[in-house]
Amino acid sequence: DGGITQSPKYLFRKEGQNVTLSCEQNLNHDAMYWYRQDPGQGLRLIYYSQIVNDFQKGDIAEGYSVSREKKESFPLTVTSAQKNPTAFYLCASSQRTGGFTGELFFGEGSRLTVL
Amino acid sequence: SQQGEEDPQALSIQEGENATMNCSYKTSINNLQWYRQNSGRGLVHLILIRSNEREKHSGRLRVTLDTSKKSSSLLITASRAADTASYFCATDLSSNYKLTFGKGTLLTVNP
Repeated sequence: DGGITQSPKYLFRKEGQNVTLSCEQNLNHDAMYWYRQDPGQGLRLIYYSQIVNDFQKGDIAEGYSVSREKKESFPLTVTSAQKNPTAFYLCASSQRTGGFTGELFFGEGSRLTVL
Repeated sequence: SQQGEEDPQALSIQEGENATMNCSYKTSINNLQWYRQNSGRGLVHLILIRSNEREKHSGRLRVTLDTSKKSSSLLITASRAADTASYFCATDLSSNYKLTFGKGTLLTVNP
């Protein structure tokens, strides 16, 4: 079964702690994305990567970090510098196409709560 | 600010009725996509319409795109209770390689 796996599904963190959210895909997609969703809100882009060993900041990158060492993996670290990290985090991937962004395939999300 | 904005924010209809959701955006796009999200789940892609297309169909879904008005609409015909979900439009800006999402329309279909 091809798809995107996010883990953990639920995560609780104490203030001041860094946490890492896992995202793995077996779709052989080049591009991967991290979005944040707050209640009743749309998705806001945190980071994205078009190819291995390269990534770009999205609209709300402050307090987050990523790495893209393997094509299938794009972990997101929520650092203690993120002021309001409680949110639903969604990872997605897509095939690179010439000149435009195609369909995104999403994982089931990770819900982070700061205690 | 959001590139795409859906309207209405919430919509409640009876089973069998049609549901129409609208999306407006601000700048030129490569394509516009619609996604569905069930509560607490990931998003699922519904349909992609390119900037040079005006209408597209997929099953009970019909999407239109008016680039002169910078707007799109999603029509779900003969709605079912299982269509209850949030629906988001997402725009692919030229030379951007990323999607920008709106805040979504919460559709409730009552049995």
